[in-house]
Amino acid sequence: AQTVTQSQPEMSVQEAETVTLSCTYDTSENNYYLFWYKQPPSRQMILVIRQEAYKQQNATENRFSVNFQKAAKSFSLKISDSQLGDTAMYFCACTTSGTYKYIFGTGTRLKVLA
Amino acid sequence: ETGVTQSPTHLIKTRGQQVTLRCSSQSGHNTVSWYQQALGQGPQFIFQYYREEENGRGNFPPRFSGLQFPNYSSELNVNALELDDSALYLCASSGTGTRGYNEQFFGPGTRLTVL
Repeated sequence: AQTVTQSQPEMSVQEAETVTLSCTYDTSENNYYLFWYKQPPSRQMILVIRQEAYKQQNATENRFSVNFQKAAKSFSLKISDSQLGDTAMYFCACTTSGTYKYIFGTGTRLKVLA
Repeated sequence: ETGVTQSPTHLIKTRGQQVTLRCSSQSGHNTVSWYQQALGQGPQFIFQYYREEENGRGNFPPRFSGLQFPNYSSELNVNALELDDSALYLCASSGTGTRGYNEQFFGPGTRLTVL
């Protein structure tokens, strides 16, 4: 069975600073995909960034980047130049190729301080 | 392109009652997944529907059931409501996977409170 663990329930960061959110996962599959989702108070889950496990290169989307350590089964999210609008719950998730469900972690509540 | 919509936004029921939640999938998507998100937790997979048939189920009892219609919209039905069913229910739609996985697009959720 797959599991996703987020060990930081809450974090805060000053505006314009950089913050890193941690995620570890466990899967016996070879073909899997990892995601970070953002859930603001509006409740809508928004995809921030995705990583295909077969790709060695870390994914990057503007201010968001990941540090994907496949051997360690670690998938951290780095947010650079933090903005007030980044305040939200962040969920790490995993799915395997051809499967039908996402496995989510318990989330990290991020607060960006002015 | 219309995104995923859910109705109602909020709902209050009492123990033992039945509830139906609705989801309209994003245009062109034929797959709908339902998740339960308890307060302070991550979403938990309930089940998925693909072309009107159940295509996988999580660890939820049979009183959680669903339907998908020819237009790919979907319903989640919960019978004999319990207090622990209070949660945010998320619907996610996806199309035919071209990346090896089905990228899911989430709706805003329905907040169910059971008293």
